[in-house]
Formats: sequence, structure tokens, C-alpha cells
Amino acid sequence: NAGVTQTPKFQVLKTGQSMTLQCAQDMNHEYMSWYRQDPGMGLRLIHYSVGAGITDQGEVPNGYNVSRSTTEDFPLRLLSAAPSQTSVYFCASSYSGGPGNGYTFGSGTRLTVV
Amino acid sequence: KNEVEQSPQNLTAQEGEFITINCSYSVGISALHWLQQHPGGGIVSLFMLSSGKKKHGRLIATINIQEKHSSLHITASHPRDSAVYICAVRPRASGGGADGLTFGKGTHLIIQP
Repeated sequence: NAGVTQTPKFQVLKTGQSMTLQCAQDMNHEYMSWYRQDPGMGLRLIHYSVGAGITDQGEVPNGYNVSRSTTEDFPLRLLSAAPSQTSVYFCASSYSGGPGNGYTFGSGTRLTVV
Repeated sequence: KNEVEQSPQNLTAQEGEFITINCSYSVGISALHWLQQHPGGGIVSLFMLSSGKKKHGRLIATINIQEKHSSLHITASHPRDSAVYICAVRPRASGGGADGLTFGKGTHLIIQP
């Protein structure tokens, strides 16, 4: 099924560990983005990409790295996990990110940092 | 500061009732999205609006750009409509490049049989 695939669905990390959250889409969408969702707060943009080789920071980028070597993949790296990064992470894609295009969301990754 | 405000935060209604969820925003936007998040956590895009009104089944979304306000209506509500409904806006781009969505905190809707 076409869509956005996120892996893993659940992850527990120890403080200081690093890991990569994977996001892949097969819709040939140029625009991809990562959000985190915390209780009592709306989703917040971490990083986004408007195409292969192009990334930019969102509202809450500290502690995260991204790269976009292909149109399909947009991994999110936690460099040194902290308890404050405990959250649910969503990847989303859109044809161009422009106002005329809807977003497709992945199913989310629930991350706990202990 | 929260650029997107939703009301109510929580809403419990009986099956069959007409539901209205409101969204107000403070910035200039190029589009507004209504999203649905079920208890399992997945997020589904319901509508994308830049003007006027859209209808899909029992769901209706309207937007008033001048008043910076949008509403999501559910007619003949059903327990399966129970979910979190999220309003998100795409701020008008400045200097090129897409800058993602800004989200409201969501409205928790429970429809009781």
C-alpha cells in the first residue's frame, strides 16, 4: 500500500544513546517532515525537507539531525538521547509542501528515553 | 504563544448530535488542514482548505479567511467519530521554502451511544 512507513513503532533508549527513526514514502513526494507530539501540546515541527539534498530546521530542531539522500527516505537521528526527547514522533510527506497539497502521515514512533 | 487555538478542548455528545469544532489562527496562511487522530495514534488528513467550504460524507469544513476562523462540523455523529480532531495551518511562506504546519492542541471528541 502506498503511503508513509515509519519504523520502529516503539523504542526505549537509555540516556546518551543514539538512534535513527526511519521514514520512507513511495508516493514520489518532494516534501517530507518530522514532528513530535507531546501531551497537552500540538504537534511541533522538528525538521523538514523540500527535496533530495535539501533540509531545514523547524520549531524544535535541537538534539536531532536529518538527511535526505533520496526522495523516498528521510531518517531522523537522535544524537544523544535525553529524557526530554520522550515523545511520539510522526513523519509526514506532501507532493510539494505547497498550499494545494495534502499531507500523508506515518503511523508514528513512540520513543521513551530512560 | 499558540498561533492556532481550538475550541472546545473536550467534547462529549450523544450519538446523532450535530458537532461543531472551531479553529482560530493569528497568522496569514496559505492553507488550513483538519486532521483526525484515533486512539491508536495514526493521523489521517480529512480536509485541506484555502477558502470556502468542503464536504465529505458527514463531515463539513468551512473557512473564513478574513476572520481567520475555520469550523469542522459532523452531522449525525456516531461513536466511531470519537477521536482527536486537529486543526493545522500552513503559514504563508516567507522567502521561499516550505515551513511545515503549525498545529492546534486538538479537540477530544467522544460520542456516546
